[in-house]
Amino acid sequence: DAGVIQSPRHEVTEMGQEVTLRCKPISGHDYLFWYRQTMMRGLELLIYFNNNVPIDDSGMPEDRFSAKMPNASFSTLKIQPSEPRDSAVYFCASSVGGGRKSTNEKLFFGSGTQLSVL
Amino acid sequence: AQSVTQLDSQVPVFEEAPVELRCNYSSSVSVYLFWYVQYPNQGLQLLLKYLSGSTLVKGINGFEAEFNKSQTSFHLRKPSVHISDTAEYFCAVSRASGTYKYIFGTGTRLKVLA
Repeated sequence: DAGVIQSPRHEVTEMGQEVTLRCKPISGHDYLFWYRQTMMRGLELLIYFNNNVPIDDSGMPEDRFSAKMPNASFSTLKIQPSEPRDSAVYFCASSVGGGRKSTNEKLFFGSGTQLSVL
Repeated sequence: AQSVTQLDSQVPVFEEAPVELRCNYSSSVSVYLFWYVQYPNQGLQLLLKYLSGSTLVKGINGFEAEFNKSQTSFHLRKPSVHISDTAEYFCAVSRASGTYKYIFGTGTRLKVLA
């Protein structure tokens, strides 16, 4: 299994531009999470999906952020327009059953997308 | 709402010495507790988790953690660390029911010195 795949690994863009981050979860996983990691705020949950449906988006910072999951094998996180304060590492994670119900369940994280907004 | 506090942002320790990374949580409902590890330029990996039962949980790579409900703590320990344990360690909490929102601490950077 290739694990959770995120693209691109690095993204450098200018303020005001649209940025799209992509995630391919592990096949068979029914939960998908988007996290943002910064030095100041640590790891923050932005949104999570269950069976492609957004369940909790209370962590999405502003209307400039949007996330979609059109099918079980693909999700996007879009920032439009981007701002320098959006610079961070964005992680996608997937799991079976939310990652907590049994000792075998856990979140599988991708390698992240390092976003720099100039 | 739940919260997690990792008081130590950095912990330096010599190779083969024991280490304890501290984690305290706050919650008005039952929770599950987790420790994840992040190696440089990688995503997080699960070390161990507490769901119920024995308060001493053993994980991968020789790590263990003890759930202490009265002190609302879930400290991570290893009796003898290796250079390869150098990484960032995150404590996390999730409600035992309802939303699958995981709340992560700010992380503790463990640096193992030769």
